[in-house]
Amino acid sequence: DADVTQTPRNRITKTGKRIMLECSQTKGHDRMYWYRQDPGLGLQLIYYSFDVKDINKGEISDGYSVSRQAQAKFSLSLESAIPNQTALYFCATSDSLWDSGELFFGEGSRLTVL
Amino acid sequence: GQNIDQPTEMTATEGAIVQINCTYQTSGFNGLFWYQQHAGEAPTFLSYNVLDGLEEKGRFSSFLSRSKGYSYLLLKELQMKDSASYLCAVRDSNYQLIWGAGTKLIIKP
Repeated sequence: DADVTQTPRNRITKTGKRIMLECSQTKGHDRMYWYRQDPGLGLQLIYYSFDVKDINKGEISDGYSVSRQAQAKFSLSLESAIPNQTALYFCATSDSLWDSGELFFGEGSRLTVL
Repeated sequence: GQNIDQPTEMTATEGAIVQINCTYQTSGFNGLFWYQQHAGEAPTFLSYNVLDGLEEKGRFSSFLSRSKGYSYLLLKELQMKDSASYLCAVRDSNYQLIWGAGTKLIIKP
């Protein structure tokens, strides 16, 4: 089983619908992140959380919200989806801000908004 | 603004050596990362450089020059499975990662 699990893996929805992407991890890491990836662009940080009580906006948080339900769970919501939110979304975890601070990614959730 | 530049696509031959360059302009520097991403899959960590010089790990090496804002990833003895995108990322003064768009490496037999 993957250490960082995302559901759903693929989702097609319509404009205006509410969508939730879920992420759970078994690595025991405190730090969790949500990124989106678009063709030709670098990964863009949406939100991040350094512990259950800590939520921070990333560079492209508009139109998104998150919930850190437990150390192991971090959900991303699109309250009213729009077509330019069509992208590949990755959840990631890390155990350290220092040193290598290696990120461990989930397998991705491909979202299409029609 | 902050910027990471890397070539969009490169082609190399199986068994050969390829160097993928990355130049950066960021607000501060707290390390540079290389990740590998196969098509449709998640990125996976390859290397981390925080001091100038070469870090070698098997067939992969990564070099950093902080004064030049430059890094490269060197892949030796290329194999077909090395066909992937290679992502360069820099951790800035706020410990945020700034990502390049990635270099798609195509390996030909």
